[in-house]
Amino acid sequence: GAVVSQHPSRVICKSGTSVKIECRSLDFQATTMFWYRQFPKQSLMLMATSNEGSKATYEQGVEKDKFLINHASLTLSTLTVTSAHPEDSSFYICSARGQGDPEGYTFGSGTRLTVV
Amino acid sequence: GDSVTQMEGPVTLSEEAFLTINCTYTATGYPSLFWYVQYPGEGLQLLLKATKADDKGSNKGFEATYRKETTSFHLEKGSVQVSDSAVYFCALKESSASKIIFGSGTRLSIRP
Repeated sequence: GAVVSQHPSRVICKSGTSVKIECRSLDFQATTMFWYRQFPKQSLMLMATSNEGSKATYEQGVEKDKFLINHASLTLSTLTVTSAHPEDSSFYICSARGQGDPEGYTFGSGTRLTVV
Repeated sequence: GDSVTQMEGPVTLSEEAFLTINCTYTATGYPSLFWYVQYPGEGLQLLLKATKADDKGSNKGFEATYRKETTSFHLEKGSVQVSDSAVYFCALKESSASKIIFGSGTRLSIRP
């Protein structure tokens, strides 16, 4: 079946630095990718939706300059948390959807980000 | 806006017990409903889905019925196993939208 690889699974960074999280579709072309954030004991909250080759669409309240999303190819999307602060510590998870499969969402295993 | 409310966890059961995890939703249209499962260290996996009222989704012994009158999609399993220990997410997607809206997740632990 479809597989999405997300790296790193865990990262610790210092306040003020930037962190990049990668999401790759391994055996299908992901025309759309979604980035979610999950706070402890809360829902996965959609941050942004990206279509290959175009700018990401951010949800209300998500700072696009802080959470940079790039979807340059049909198999790779990246989320960069810029100038990270402790309040950015969270679990980030990506999801990819292939062409012609409107409900075939495949999720990565998530990235636990801790900013110290 | 659309939302999903599910039973808070954690839920701890003994092996072979009956499982119910409640899920209710609020939607403006006629959404598709899903249950996803996340095993430790892994991504979310689709467990089952239902696309219209009265549909029953089933997989791996789990079932859920799309109840429009009660706006519910409760997850059930007749006899749980230790291997069912995971976090379960109820979710919905409007037909006109691309995004999935998730509940907060319910952690299930099964004792041998």
